[in-house]
Amino acid sequence: ETGVTQSPTHLIKTRGQQVTLRCSSQSGHNTVSWYQQALGQGPQFIFQYYREEENGRGNFPPRFSGLQFPNYSSELNVNALELDDSALYLCASSPWGGDFYEQYFGPGTRLTVT
Amino acid sequence: LAKTTQPISMDSYEGQEVNITCSHNNIATNDYITWYQQFPSQGPRFIIQGYKTKVTNEVASLFIPADRKSSTLSLPRVSLSDTAVYYCLVGVAPNNNAGNMLTFGGGTRLMVKP
Repeated sequence: ETGVTQSPTHLIKTRGQQVTLRCSSQSGHNTVSWYQQALGQGPQFIFQYYREEENGRGNFPPRFSGLQFPNYSSELNVNALELDDSALYLCASSPWGGDFYEQYFGPGTRLTVT
Repeated sequence: LAKTTQPISMDSYEGQEVNITCSHNNIATNDYITWYQQFPSQGPRFIIQGYKTKVTNEVASLFIPADRKSSTLSLPRVSLSDTAVYYCLVGVAPNNNAGNMLTFGGGTRLMVKP
């Protein structure tokens, strides 16, 4: 069984640029959620995708957007990067209608904005 | 969502039992209590979930008093590899896709010393 994978591992961008992060969900999981984790803090929910549509969103501006593909993989796009966007971005997958409390997280992508 | 309060950090020694208590005074009737573990540079990992009384699995035990206003995660005979951040979450129920967002607080940083 393949776990959740994310790419790239690390990324350095300049303020104002755009970035795309990628996530492959665990086999059999059709729901993907994205979280932002600033240094020393707990993860904060960005949004979730199910059946290629956004299915819930946290308190993040519209410049944070996403996609889910037919194979359930997902992308997180952030436009007009700000210094405060520097964080670990985590992807989590789960089966819809299953035991939703148990989400499976990937190792994350460390984004640094300079 | 019910707010949770946990100690910021705890120290322990190898072989000891560690108990981490989480306060959730405003827990709702339908809320469950879930604990996640996060190692450095990794995504969080589900440990255990419960509703009332006691739940035990191969990793930990979860004690929940009758009033459910607090809960205690118990890690038996910790080792150095148990050094991690432990998060208490309240409000996520099994098979409840409406509660599809995990809300993390700051967590408890457990340091296990030799």
